[in-house]
Amino acid sequence: EAQVTQNPRYLITVTGKKLTVTCSQNMNHEYMSWYRQDPGLGLRQIYYSMNVEVTDKGDVPEGYKVSRKEKRNFPLILESPSPNQTSLYFCASSSGLAGIYEQFFGPGTRLTVL
Amino acid sequence: RKEVEQDPGPFNVPEGATVAFNCTYSNSASQSFFWYRQDCRKEPKLLMSVYSSGNEDGRFTAQLNRASQYISLLIRDSKLSDSATYLCVVNIRPQGAQKLVFGQGTRLTINP
Repeated sequence: EAQVTQNPRYLITVTGKKLTVTCSQNMNHEYMSWYRQDPGLGLRQIYYSMNVEVTDKGDVPEGYKVSRKEKRNFPLILESPSPNQTSLYFCASSSGLAGIYEQFFGPGTRLTVL
Repeated sequence: RKEVEQDPGPFNVPEGATVAFNCTYSNSASQSFFWYRQDCRKEPKLLMSVYSSGNEDGRFTAQLNRASQYISLLIRDSKLSDSATYLCVVNIRPQGAQKLVFGQGTRLTINP
């Protein structure tokens, strides 16, 4: 089954404790992206990747890191989480330029930073 | 002005009604347009792309008005299962790049 998976689905952590949210897709997609969704603000892009070893900042990259060592995986790293990073996070992938092709989203990761 | 704006609703309509949403965008160079559907606490999923000539998929019709810079979604004969948040998505193409911007979503509840 074609899908995007994220782990963990739910996470409660404390300020400053490094964490990684994994994202994996099995569709051989080139383009992958991370979003956060907050009430009243909609989905905002954090980082995106056009292909292996090619990543770039989205609209809200501060406090996040990403890497793209393999085509299928695109982990999101929070080196020192803070309460303002409490949010619902989605990973997405598409077969080409995100503006043209359908984006497939993972099920989301609900993160709470205390 | 936000790059993409939607009326957040909520819209509460009876089953069988016709409901329409609009979404405005600020960048006249915007190229691609989409409607996504998001169920409560779930991931967004593509509902339909929006083409210049307008397009229809069953009970759903999408329209694009470039002169006024808005897109619309019309749902006819609404069903209980249409209850969801509808996200307007625009590829705003700043300086020729590709950038998808999501509206904050319009929440729709269909009542029996």
